[in-house]
Amino acid sequence: DAMVIQNPRYQVTQFGKPVTLSCSQTLNHNVMYWYQQKSSQAPKLLFHYYDKDFNNEADTPDNFQSRRPNTSFCFLDIRSPGLGDAAMYLCATSSDRGRTEAFFGQGTRLTVV
Amino acid sequence: RKEVEQDPGPFNVPEGATVAFNCTYSNSASQSFFWYRQDCRKEPKLLMSVYSSGNEDGRFTAQLNRASQYISLLIRDSKLSDSATYLCVVKDYGGSQGNLIFGKGTKLSVKP
Repeated sequence: DAMVIQNPRYQVTQFGKPVTLSCSQTLNHNVMYWYQQKSSQAPKLLFHYYDKDFNNEADTPDNFQSRRPNTSFCFLDIRSPGLGDAAMYLCATSSDRGRTEAFFGQGTRLTVV
Repeated sequence: RKEVEQDPGPFNVPEGATVAFNCTYSNSASQSFFWYRQDCRKEPKLLMSVYSSGNEDGRFTAQLNRASQYISLLIRDSKLSDSATYLCVVKDYGGSQGNLIFGKGTKLSVKP
């Protein structure tokens, strides 16, 4: 059974129209990450939550926001998507207790038209 | 800012070859290390964790050299199915609150 679930798998949005991507986990991990991955590039960390503490990467545009209402769910909000925001968005979870690896969802592929 | 640097690749090798990837990282007191594999248009999946003493899983061997700040992945007897991008990942599980940093990845293509 999938442990990190992202919805939807594919999202098409209009230029400038707000969009929300969701991620849920059944692992009870306290750390959740959002990555952006463009073609032939490595995943780029946008931000992560350590419990309720939000950690934003310095180069993440203000256009990207996140919410974590509880341990299981985390959302990525793109306030005004541009053509350059088309990418795969990956959610991952991990525990800070010990050397546990990160588990990834299958990703949401975002297309901006 | 902590960085993770990998061999640029791509690596194009024949079936049966042995191939090695290296990765260097910025030092930090509390870290763990992983190799992930990513197939085209799929999410990264854990290949193996990297332990201080080195570890082996079938045809794959991972090693960590803390003094030189690098980790390596060795693949023996390459198979066509090994073709993928291999990502070096460093996790700070101490004061950096679980920050997880990826290298740029090394693409491996195994040919018949």
